[in-house]
Amino acid sequence: QVQVVESGGGVVQPGRSLRLSCAASGFTFRSYAMHWVRQAPGKGLEWVAVISYDGNNKYYADSVKGRFTISRDNSKNTVYLQMNSLRADDTALYYCAKDLVIYFLALPGNWGQGTLVTVSS
Amino acid sequence: QSVLTQPPSASGTPGQRVTISCSGGSSNIANNTVNWYQQLPGTAPKLLIYSNNQRPSGVPDRFSGSKSGTSASLAISGLQSDDEADYYCAAWDDSLIGPVFGGGTKLTVL
Repeated sequence: QVQVVESGGGVVQPGRSLRLSCAASGFTFRSYAMHWVRQAPGKGLEWVAVISYDGNNKYYADSVKGRFTISRDNSKNTVYLQMNSLRADDTALYYCAKDLVIYFLALPGNWGQGTLVTVSS
Repeated sequence: QSVLTQPPSASGTPGQRVTISCSGGSSNIANNTVNWYQQLPGTAPKLLIYSNNQRPSGVPDRFSGSKSGTSASLAISGLQSDDEADYYCAAWDDSLIGPVFGGGTKLTVL
């Protein structure tokens, strides 16, 4: 069955960097776009970034553009989120999700359990 | 301020039918399909409805979705206590070039 497992969260000081990883299994990873979506404590869902199945297309929410970079390694079935210049309002549970539609950029389908990022001095 | 607008709360008694609305615009709901997600307390979101009205395997037919113009709705019939959750709508936005979510609706079963 489809499984995505996030890792790499933790406590980091404002202005510092962190890299999240998402290991996928149970489907043909190289055929699906992958998303990162976050949820601040007590708040709703906020889409962060998406990368196409082949890594050639990447799109970001305005709130993270220029600071976050999404990438993938199809040989390792893993997607990454490099987060730089972190701010307090980046504090959230970060979910990785497999896209619903093969070869297309669409909406998240299967979600992981999330990894918590806390930005605090 | 979310791009898609949902009521912050909804409620019903066991056995009742409740609907949750999701309002968007020309760049999202009008021209793209809508998904609904259920987030039970303390858990990750789960896909409930995709492509406006399709249910993934395992989702009971008590849950149904519809779309008209720039709005979508989620209906839950035969309400049960374990339907208590947050529900989110989402659609691709052609202007923002990415998915947009509603602010979420907290469903309480009285």
